[in-house]
Amino acid sequence: GAVVSQHPSRVICKSGTSVKIECRSLDFQATTMFWYRQFPKQSLMLMATSNEGSKATYEQGVEKDKFLINHASLTLSTLTVTSAHPEDSSFYICSARGPEPSGGALTFFGPGTRLTVL
Amino acid sequence: GQQVMQIPQYQHVQEGEDFTTYCNSSTTLSNIQWYKQRPGGHPVFLIQLVKSGEVKKQKRLTFQFGEAKKNSSLHITATQTTDVGTYFCASLYNQGGKLIFGQGTELSVKP
Repeated sequence: GAVVSQHPSRVICKSGTSVKIECRSLDFQATTMFWYRQFPKQSLMLMATSNEGSKATYEQGVEKDKFLINHASLTLSTLTVTSAHPEDSSFYICSARGPEPSGGALTFFGPGTRLTVL
Repeated sequence: GQQVMQIPQYQHVQEGEDFTTYCNSSTTLSNIQWYKQRPGGHPVFLIQLVKSGEVKKQKRLTFQFGEAKKNSSLHITATQTTDVGTYFCASLYNQGGKLIFGQGTELSVKP
């Protein structure tokens, strides 16, 4: 089935620094990718929809200038957490809609990136 | 906007007991998907339901979509320790792939 990768899997950074997370569709092209954030014991909250070649669409309450999304190619979307603070510590997960159902699934998730801001 | 409510938040069962989690929406859903997330892992797709009253089975798991397409349930018969994790329902907001997740039900199984 379709595979989505994320890098890095874990990152620890100091408060005030910026962190870039990459999301790649390995064996298919994804014109649209999605970024979610998940706090401990909570559900996945959609942050934004990443569109190849155009600006991302952010969900209400998500700061565009803080969470920069770049979908530079059909296989890569990046999320940059700028000036990270401890409250940004979370599990960030991307997903992409595959070209065709695989095992019934159409949406494929990356393995996630655990961000810890000290 | 579209919201999916899921209960219970937690469920602790003895191995061999059954487990059910429920999702409800105030609006008609075009579809419902179910995912399982193991601790430290990412959501793994289980199934998608699209038809009114649809029932699908995967071994010990039974998935139902309500007649009005406003509710869904996942039932696990005779739980095993391998069933441990958080089960999420989610609905596809539009054909573009945007998923709205329920709050999830965390299942723990005592051997």
